[in-house]
Amino acid sequence: QVQLQESGPGLVKPSETLSLTCTVSGYSISSGFYWGWIRQSPVKGLEWIGAISHSGSTYYNPSLKSRLSVSMDTSRSQFSLKLHFLTAADTAMYYCARDLGSSVHDYWGQGTLVTVSS
Amino acid sequence: QSALTQPPSASGSPGQSVTISCTGTSSDVGGYNLVSWYQQYPGKAPKLMIYEVNKRPSGVPDRFSASKSGNTASLTVSGLQAEDEADYYCSSYAGTNNLFGTGTKVTVL
Repeated sequence: QVQLQESGPGLVKPSETLSLTCTVSGYSISSGFYWGWIRQSPVKGLEWIGAISHSGSTYYNPSLKSRLSVSMDTSRSQFSLKLHFLTAADTAMYYCARDLGSSVHDYWGQGTLVTVSS
Repeated sequence: QSALTQPPSASGSPGQSVTISCTGTSSDVGGYNLVSWYQQYPGKAPKLMIYEVNKRPSGVPDRFSASKSGNTASLTVSGLQAEDEADYYCSSYAGTNNLFGTGTKVTVL
């Protein structure tokens, strides 16, 4: 059974950088598929953030690309997100998910709430 | 690129059917047979119900079916059950992006 678990700070100050990690169990992230991030807020709804392939290629939402970095550590079975220059508009529930490709997310983490506030 | 458009709400009595639409453009829904549908309960992560327009993952009841015509995709829930009351979101591949719908709250009367 594939399981994903997000971890990271719940509160981040404006203009700072958000760092989140997703730990995967039940599947080797270097074996296949893509590993992605999605966020959800009452204002914007669900929003695809970006993804990294099992071989390390990255794919970013064009609207976030200039502030975003996604990486992976296969030895720890983890992939991570860094989002820079945060504003209140980045306040959301952040989910990590396995991405089969082309907008198909079959396994999701439980989500972690991130609030951007001073 | 804007979110895909869904009706805010839909409802039906137990045993009836409800259909949810998802409208995009030729750059997303209409351009690829890569539409997915997700079910979300309050406080929970979304669950994949349909992928590649009309395919059901293992374990999803066949009461859930979907289709696409032009720039609009549709999800139909037949034989409504109380457990089907949830939010439903469509999603589409859009080339350099993946778009989600605005969401539809399904109420079982």
